[in-house]
Amino acid sequence: QSVLTQPPSVSGAPGQRVTISCTGSSSNIGAGYDVHWYQQLPGTAPKLLIYGNSNRPSGVPDRFSGSKSGTSASLAITGLQAEDEADYYCQSYDSSLSAPWVFGGGTKLTVL
Amino acid sequence: EVQLVESGGGLVQPGGSLRLSCAASGFTVSSNYMSWVRQAPGKGLEWVSVIYSGGSTYYADSVKGRFTISRHNSKNTLYLQMNSLRAEDTAVYYCARGRDGYTGWGQGTLVTVSS
Repeated sequence: QSVLTQPPSVSGAPGQRVTISCTGSSSNIGAGYDVHWYQQLPGTAPKLLIYGNSNRPSGVPDRFSGSKSGTSASLAITGLQAEDEADYYCQSYDSSLSAPWVFGGGTKLTVL
Repeated sequence: EVQLVESGGGLVQPGGSLRLSCAASGFTVSSNYMSWVRQAPGKGLEWVSVIYSGGSTYYADSVKGRFTISRHNSKNTLYLQMNSLRAEDTAVYYCARGRDGYTGWGQGTLVTVSS
């Protein structure tokens, strides 16, 4: 059971917009700690997609955006493309844990 | 360009040991937070350990007392010494640059603990 809760799967057709939620609590996201998002394409290592809640590293298309409100964060993908089919993970810091760097359970995005 | 290359994975019996290496280029390991993250087959990501630039180290409860993170500054290499390995340690182990918001990842090395 992950401290950060993500839906196991989401799907959308090419060109559509999808969002992936990451729900935490008052000891992590709600405490003001940053949320980061990673994309993991099949058979590859994860890649940083969004850092510090809403910032995109160089090279990440502006179709990807992140936001945070209260105890939750969201990743939005617009203009969905076939190559966006991947697993997506959120990450944050939890001050109540002895091992405080925590990941969400991951969300499988299927492009229909 | 930031590059991380892991090595040292393989098949080991329960109770055995392995040392993973992560050779870095394009940046200085000792000036950065460096982490190990693992992923069991078909599962999600799990933080394992971090070493701060100042040398402080932290571990997940599941590996505390069994794993040791370290670095060799002149070789610009990060290590993970894994002792008393268990079946549940079976995973792909990634080294990553950063404490969180990892800006670089290696390709991963597979550790299989089985008799």
